Amino acid sequence: GDSVTQMEGPVTLSEEAFLTINCTYTATGYPSLFWYVQYPGEGLQLLLKATKADDKGSNKGFEATYRKETTSFHLEKGSVQVSDSAVYFCALSLIYNQGGKLIFGQGTELSVKP
Amino acid sequence: DADVTQTPRNRITKTGKRIMLECSQTKGHDRMYWYRQDPGLGLRLIYYSFDVKDINKGEISDGYSVSRQAQAKFSLSLESAIPNQTALYFCATSDSGTSFTDTQYFGPGTRLTVL
Repeated sequence: GDSVTQMEGPVTLSEEAFLTINCTYTATGYPSLFWYVQYPGEGLQLLLKATKADDKGSNKGFEATYRKETTSFHLEKGSVQVSDSAVYFCALSLIYNQGGKLIFGQGTELSVKP
Repeated sequence: DADVTQTPRNRITKTGKRIMLECSQTKGHDRMYWYRQDPGLGLRLIYYSFDVKDINKGEISDGYSVSRQAQAKFSLSLESAIPNQTALYFCATSDSGTSFTDTQYFGPGTRLTVL
């Protein structure tokens, strides 16, 4: 079935370090891909998205590129800040007959130390 | 004011009790969703509604029911709560549109504990 797999956390980095959170997916159709972020005590909010192969989503210094050949959508940031500490969820939404439902990965907790 | 609100924010109840979680939105979206979040499992879809007259089961609907009272309101009920329903529950909305890439907007969550 359709699924999303993320690297396990928690990930602990020092401020200004480079961040990569791996995400791979399995889908029967042509999904759109998303990264959602959950700050402590809050609901999820969209961080970035990509709707077709080779698209790059970007926001707040984060980037992810839709790689159809490797079925991946890895999240990267060149220099993390303490305020980036949160749980990050990779998700896919199928384009046909799924009505925009999201299938989430298990989430990766990021902790950034000063 | 928040676009998607959930009440209550926290609830502790006992096994066998009936519980209702409420969600309201001011975004004018047609589509609403209920998810539960468990550590290490991400979010899983319980029920979703594409409009007031269209309600569908998600992947884990057993033990839950929903009511779409209006475009802006979508309630989740646990008819007889059990301890493994202890979780963080999120409501979300999205625009109907013709694109399936629409962003979902989440409420702040309800933390439910069943003793």
